[in-house]
Parts: sequence; C-alpha cells; structure tokens
Amino acid sequence: DIQMTQSPSTLSASVGDRVTITCRASQSISTWLAWYQQKPGKAPNLLIYKASNLQSGVSSRFSGSGSGTEFTLTISSLQPDDFATYYCQQYNSYSWTFGQGTKVEIK
Amino acid sequence: EVQLVETGGGLIQPGGSLRLSCAPSGFIVSNNYMSWVRQAPGKGLDWVSIIYSGGSTYYADSAKGRFTISRDNSKNTLYLQMNSLRADDTAVYYCVRAHSNDYIMDWGQGTLVTVSS
Repeated sequence: DIQMTQSPSTLSASVGDRVTITCRASQSISTWLAWYQQKPGKAPNLLIYKASNLQSGVSSRFSGSGSGTEFTLTISSLQPDDFATYYCQQYNSYSWTFGQGTKVEIK
Repeated sequence: EVQLVETGGGLIQPGGSLRLSCAPSGFIVSNNYMSWVRQAPGKGLDWVSIIYSGGSTYYADSAKGRFTISRDNSKNTLYLQMNSLRADDTAVYYCVRAHSNDYIMDWGQGTLVTVSS
C-alpha cells in the first residue's frame, strides 16, 4: 500500500503569512494527488486535484505543486477562514490513502 | 444541488453488525464511483471501500472480510454492511462521490458509529 506522510503535523501562523504544507508518498504517484480542508465538525472540502488544479470556487490563494513523491500545498496569504486541518490524498491505485493531516493554528 | 445523506449509525456492541445507507440527491448512484471514508474521533481520514460505476468493489485491509459495499439501483442508495464490529471501527462514516477513482467531489454530513459494550 502507498503511504502518505504530511509535514508538519501542526503549524502555527499569523494572518497574512505564506504557509506551505508538504506531503510525501512512499512511491511515485505521478500527479494523482488531492488536497482537502476540514473544519471542526464538518466534512472535508476539496481544494486541489491532480496535484495542481484548483477546484472551482476555491480561493486562488491556495495552490498545489509537485509530482512523483513530493507535493506541496501553499496558502499565499493566510486568512482567518483558513485556520483548519488539511489532508492530502493519493488516488494512484484502486485503494486511496490520506495523509495524517496538518492543523493550521493561529499564532 | 448535490446532497448525500447517511443514515444507520448508532451504538453497537463489539461483534455486532450495522448497515449504513446513503441516499444522494442530484445524481444517480449507479453512474458514479461511490465510496465510504471514516474518521475516528480526533483522528484523520481513513478510506474504507469503493464501488465503481461498473460494479467492481475494493476494500481497505481493515474492512476486508467484514464490510460489504453495495448499492440498490432501484432505490438510488449506497450501503455499507459492517459485520464483526470492533472498538477501532468507532468513527464518523462519510458517504462520498468520487470523480472516477480519483478525488472526492462530494461528501455527506457523516453518521457516527460507536462500537462499545
């Protein structure tokens, strides 16, 4: 099975900061990677698919990059609504795997 | 508007069985890739099972032999039959619609399954 490792697990940042979250796959997944945002008590929401494609309706301050085994999610200027937990997901194989999550907290 | 509504969660004793249902509106279950994803309290997301539009099914190792994903086309409903439940199956179970076998486009609100004596 493909393992996904996110870092950091927790990130403390201020409004306006540029934030980067990393996701590493245990083997190459090409660009078959998605990013989700989850707020407490809510279902996750798709931000990025196929590593770098912004989902319709999602703010352009979110961007994704990477291929193979290393991927990043960047928030260009952190806004109050962005404090949440972020997950990566690989869909290279018939079985999906999620990263363990990165909680973005207010500094 | 797309909506997915899960039902069937609750408190069940270890070793017991439970069937979750997901009745979406706005699309046809059998034309889509449908999956179940769970989240234990305070933990991350954990993929459980998927059923392709063509009918093929796949399971996480933790679900193989115990859980069965299925659909009733006449009722436009997705199911997850869960048998031999264990304490570590305690989680919110989300019904999701995927873009092919890719990323998740739509999520239900989730239904809580608690396995405890």
